[in-house]
Amino acid sequence: DGGITQSPKYLFRKEGQNVTLSCEQNLNHDAMYWYRQDPGQGLRLIYYSQIVNDFQKGDIAEGYSVSREKKESFPLTVTSAQKNPTAFYLCASSIGQFSGTEAFFGQGTRLTVV
Amino acid sequence: GNSVTQMEGPVTLSEEAFLTINCTYTATGYPSLFWYVQYPGEGLQLLLKATKADDKGSNKGFEATYRKETTSFHLEKGSVQVSDSAVYFCVGLTGGGNKLTFGTGTQLKVEL
Repeated sequence: DGGITQSPKYLFRKEGQNVTLSCEQNLNHDAMYWYRQDPGQGLRLIYYSQIVNDFQKGDIAEGYSVSREKKESFPLTVTSAQKNPTAFYLCASSIGQFSGTEAFFGQGTRLTVV
Repeated sequence: GNSVTQMEGPVTLSEEAFLTINCTYTATGYPSLFWYVQYPGEGLQLLLKATKADDKGSNKGFEATYRKETTSFHLEKGSVQVSDSAVYFCVGLTGGGNKLTFGTGTQLKVEL
């Protein structure tokens, strides 16, 4: 079955620690995205990548980092510089740069700072 | 820049009531438009889409028509069920940058 998988589903982090969220897709999609969702708000774009070894900052990239060494993987690191990291994080992928292609979403990772 | 505006929630309806969730967009060019649904604690699932003017997307009793003249993509369902309770997102996609633009989401609660 093709799809996009995020892990873990729940993650707890102590203040001052870095933590990495995993996102893997076997859809052969070129483009991948990371979004942050806060209660009662829409999704805000953190980073996106349109091709392997290339990625771009989104609207709220500060305190986050990503890598795209493989087409199927786009991990997100939440660094200690992120002031308010508790949120629901969603990874998505799409075929590429053509209009009309939908995005597929993972099930999300809920990160809580304790 | 591109933007998507959808009606604020929460929207509370009785089962079998008619549903409309308004969505309008602002974009250079003509974006593809989508409605996504998010059930509690889960990721987003595509509900329906339309890629050009006058296209009608439909799925599971939901419909939305891409109206270029009013730049709108309102979501409708003739008879909602309790299982339709979720958050609904209107989303635009423009070519080139391949970035998605999300509305803020509308929470729908359907009661018996």
